[in-house]
Amino acid sequence: DTAVSQTPKYLVTQMGNDKSIKCEQNLGHDTMYWYKQDSKKFLKIMFSYNNKELIINETVPNRFSPKSPDKAHLNLHINSLELGDSAVYFCASSPGRGGDSPLHFGNGTRLTVT
Amino acid sequence: AQSVSQHNHHVILSEAASLELGCNYSYGGTVNLFWYVQYPGQHLQLLLKYFSGDPLVKGIKGFEAEFIKSKFSFNLRKPSVQWSDTAEYFCAVNGDYKLSFGAGTTVTVRA
Repeated sequence: DTAVSQTPKYLVTQMGNDKSIKCEQNLGHDTMYWYKQDSKKFLKIMFSYNNKELIINETVPNRFSPKSPDKAHLNLHINSLELGDSAVYFCASSPGRGGDSPLHFGNGTRLTVT
Repeated sequence: AQSVSQHNHHVILSEAASLELGCNYSYGGTVNLFWYVQYPGQHLQLLLKYFSGDPLVKGIKGFEAEFIKSKFSFNLRKPSVQWSDTAEYFCAVNGDYKLSFGAGTTVTVRA
């Protein structure tokens, strides 16, 4: 009964490849997010979707493309992976439109680009 | 734009010592404030939150935080830490529908 689940947990791939990370939440929340945590533990928001509508799109290379087929899913597709993309990617969800309620985080996906 | 500053990068202390982690934010309007904890190898979990009302909020595991509006601060405290409190602690602020995190403070509690 995991609330926010991400797959895969670990992802090791070579530069130039294209990969996807999937996220699903069963909390009935309206808003979902992708955060990137770098090697220094710094968390930075990448995207936010509210009811399948993109509401936050930070300064992220356009190689990163989020897809929300429904409000319970927010997938992240990354094209032409680079070494600097190595990080832990966290999916999260919240009941409100954003920030007015706590976020529920997934367990993270550790992406290693070699 | 909003920003969050956590003063301590790494705090090392012994069991039973008191802990205080500083957090300051910059934002001109009404904010919601949070502290999250990330135990080694785990995801972030909410420790406590402040939306309005009593500026002293209590969270899980004996943590509390005080919102001081005039100082734009939301410091986290625990009177007596345990070894299991070893973790990364993140202050977060929401002022414009976007949750912004501080850089985090690594807390190491020695037995």
